[in-house]
Amino acid sequence: SQQGEEDPQALSIQEGENATMNCSYKTSINNLQWYRQNSGRGLVHLILIRSNEREKHSGRLRVTLDTSKKSSSLLITASRAADTASYFCAIQAGNQFYFGTGTSLTVIP
Amino acid sequence: GAGVSQSPSNKVTEKGKDVELRCDPISGHTALYWYRQSLGQGLEFLIYFQGNSAPDKSGLPSDRFSAERTGGSVSTLTIQRTQQEDSAVYLCASSSPLTGVGGYTFGSGTRLTVV
Repeated sequence: SQQGEEDPQALSIQEGENATMNCSYKTSINNLQWYRQNSGRGLVHLILIRSNEREKHSGRLRVTLDTSKKSSSLLITASRAADTASYFCAIQAGNQFYFGTGTSLTVIP
Repeated sequence: GAGVSQSPSNKVTEKGKDVELRCDPISGHTALYWYRQSLGQGLEFLIYFQGNSAPDKSGLPSDRFSAERTGGSVSTLTIQRTQQEDSAVYLCASSSPLTGVGGYTFGSGTRLTVV
């Protein structure tokens, strides 16, 4: 399967703490993408990291990519209650997207 | 049908013209999503339908963009007075609401080029 797999499946932290989510995949990739989805809403693109990149930052987000281990991590620093959502990694092949099962993040105020 | 069908697969239009993109989701999938992807970028959410209603239109970039879904099946995305920045691949996805993102099935997309 080309689908990404994420862990943990669920994560509950206090506001202000950091949250780390991991994604593993099986195929070669051109890029790996992270998305957020709030309940009943569409996906929101967070960050894209290319296969020749190892780390990327966007605001409070930090993404790492290890192509030798076929894994990526998403770190959210100084979490806020508004960060509560499901987070998905995605692998793109052509116009098809293969999403992981997601990590459900709850940030407790 | 067996998959999500989008038409046309390619569309070249002159700036200022209107275009209509069509998505035929998997039979029985009540959730339908429109996204677009510019070259080298991630998916940009446009609109989400649950049945015929659109609980989330937050991604439509301007009032030139509209979408409708009739009969809980086919959806059309209309772009009026197209601009060059509208050029992108427009992707439709459908899912059963119980399967979530992992159960998304994407269409093959419509590549829109505004010249």
